[in-house]
Amino acid sequence: GENVEQHPSTLSVQEGDSAVIKCTYSDSASNYFPWYKQELGKRPQLIIDIRSNVGEKKDQRIAVTLNKTAKHFSLHITETQPEDSAVYFCAASIGGGSYIPTFGRGTSLIVHP
Amino acid sequence: GAVVSQHPSWVICKSGTSVKIECRSLDFQATTMFWYRQFPKQSLMLMATSNEGSKATYEQGVEKDKFLINHASLTLSTLTVTSAHPEDSSFYICSASHTGIPNTEAFFGQGTRLTVV
Repeated sequence: GENVEQHPSTLSVQEGDSAVIKCTYSDSASNYFPWYKQELGKRPQLIIDIRSNVGEKKDQRIAVTLNKTAKHFSLHITETQPEDSAVYFCAASIGGGSYIPTFGRGTSLIVHP
Repeated sequence: GAVVSQHPSWVICKSGTSVKIECRSLDFQATTMFWYRQFPKQSLMLMATSNEGSKATYEQGVEKDKFLINHASLTLSTLTVTSAHPEDSSFYICSASHTGIPNTEAFFGQGTRLTVV
């Protein structure tokens, strides 16, 4: 099955700095890569996603890049703010009749004011 | 976006009793729903895949007789923790995606904090 590795497990930055979280996946058949943000005690919520036919996607301060050859994808947050502090999860899934996302272990992002 | 509602949001039960958690997709149909367990500061661990009208598929190491899953309709899946013990205390969360739209965003319930005393 699919295996998703996520790094780093903890990331501490100063407000205004950029933050980068990286994930690798094992199954070349994976073609959908969402990123979720989970605040303490709350449900994960989708913040951005990318499909295998696209190399990069941007939404305001958040961007995701995908390298299918190397089987890795990254989340980039620019101009970080304290409210960005949360746990971020990457995921990978294989298209077809049974969509089962495999999640990375999560990155705890702390943005210091 | 679509809404998945999970109930209850927290529950405290005595050791040996059973607890039922509901997961509902409020504005879309979900042939498949997923149940996760999350320990503090850890990732989402997939427990089982709930399939409407058929048996759930359990991940390795998850006891199907302990964690009973029923998916009786396209909008409701239930997880029953039977004969709960303190080690079952955890955060349980469900998710669902739109039926018929493969490989899309998963919508999560708000989670259930289970404490077994």
